[in-house]
Amino acid sequence: AQRVTQPEKLLSVFKGAPVELKCNYSYSGSPELFWYVQYSRQRLQLLLRHISRESIKGFTADLNKGETSFHLKKPFAQEEDSAMYYCALSGMGGSEKLVFGKGTKLTVNP
Amino acid sequence: DAMVIQNPRYQVTQFGKPVTLSCSQTLNHNVMYWYQQKSSQAPKLLFHYYDKDFNNEADTPDNFQSRRPNTSFCFLDIRSPGLGDTAMYLCATSSGRTQYFGPGTRLLVL
Repeated sequence: AQRVTQPEKLLSVFKGAPVELKCNYSYSGSPELFWYVQYSRQRLQLLLRHISRESIKGFTADLNKGETSFHLKKPFAQEEDSAMYYCALSGMGGSEKLVFGKGTKLTVNP
Repeated sequence: DAMVIQNPRYQVTQFGKPVTLSCSQTLNHNVMYWYQQKSSQAPKLLFHYYDKDFNNEADTPDNFQSRRPNTSFCFLDIRSPGLGDTAMYLCATSSGRTQYFGPGTRLLVL
């Protein structure tokens, strides 16, 4: 069964501090992993995907198949990073459906 | 430029009174999705269309139906809403594996 676990419901850091949002998954195959973000009063939008291997807004995420993890990291958090973050998984081989984690609410304090 | 539009943004209905939620897209994507998101929970896929092909999730209640009359529009019909159907309903489209979300319709069943 496909499952995405985000162990932290809430995460609070100070501006300029490093931040790591944890995501673990279970999938019997090679999935594609995503991070979606929802800023206050805005729609859910893609932040990054593991296949792209890019940094968006200073965030990076590396897929660790051994640990089945896809943690989201940023070395210096900004106040505008405060948002709800969802990790999501899509099965390879044609399926475009997403399975979401429950989300982590990140608050960056001044 | 709104790419995925949902109407209405807020809907209040009475227990048992049918309700229809609307989604339209300007992206010309062939896949459209409906998700249900209850408070503090992950978005949960109800069903999706690949062009005109309807794909229902196994655990989606029969009370939930959908129509896609053309590429641009997709409707979610709740035939007899129960109190437990109070939630945010998200529409999304995709071409490839990135999903583009609408702002959601917040449904309250009284």
